[in-house]
Amino acid sequence: KAGVTQTPRYLIKTRGQQVTLSCSPISGHRSVSWYQQTPGQGLQFLFEYFSETQRNKGNFPGRFSGRQFSNSRSEMNVSTLELGDSALYLCASSYRTREANEKLFFGSGTQLSVL
Amino acid sequence: AQKITQTQPGMFVQEKEAVTLDCTYDTSDPSYGLFWYKQPSSGEMIFLIYQGSYDQQNATEGRYSLNFQKARKSANLVISASQLGDSAMYFCAMREGISSGSARQLTFGSGTQLTVLP
Repeated sequence: KAGVTQTPRYLIKTRGQQVTLSCSPISGHRSVSWYQQTPGQGLQFLFEYFSETQRNKGNFPGRFSGRQFSNSRSEMNVSTLELGDSALYLCASSYRTREANEKLFFGSGTQLSVL
Repeated sequence: AQKITQTQPGMFVQEKEAVTLDCTYDTSDPSYGLFWYKQPSSGEMIFLIYQGSYDQQNATEGRYSLNFQKARKSANLVISASQLGDSAMYFCAMREGISSGSARQLTFGSGTQLTVLP
């Protein structure tokens, strides 16, 4: 079974530009979550999508947005990039059951550098 | 206040020895779950072990075990017989609100960089 696939693996952008990151979950998983990882702030939850609807959102500005398609693939978009947006963006998928021990399966991330 | 605290930024252990990575947490929710993930240099987060707040026994998964002390709000990861491939960043994480089924996101600690020496 293929794991969570994130593309691209690396991305270099300049301030003010916008960027779109893609995530393909494990087959059968309908929930996709996004996390931002930086050396200063650590891992922070961005948002979660399930059945094409945003279910939860972290404390990030409106420049960060996402969507989920009918095949559960998800994209996240960051508009008007700032230097502080440089980070590893991790996508995680799950079935989104009500089981307490449900684990998230993560991709290898997209390393975004904003110059 | 930090919800997950990992006080060891870096740890060294000799190959084949055991090592304990510390994790304390803070929550008022009676229903929560605690996870440990490993992140090698490739970036992918790999699930290691889970402990539920109502679980009576400490969780074990192969060489990984969790020393769960509920009253002290600690959930330390014990890796037995360390291997060179265990060198990685280790994160403790918590999921709250399990009973309501509403909150699915994980809150992560700052991580511990483990280096296994030959």
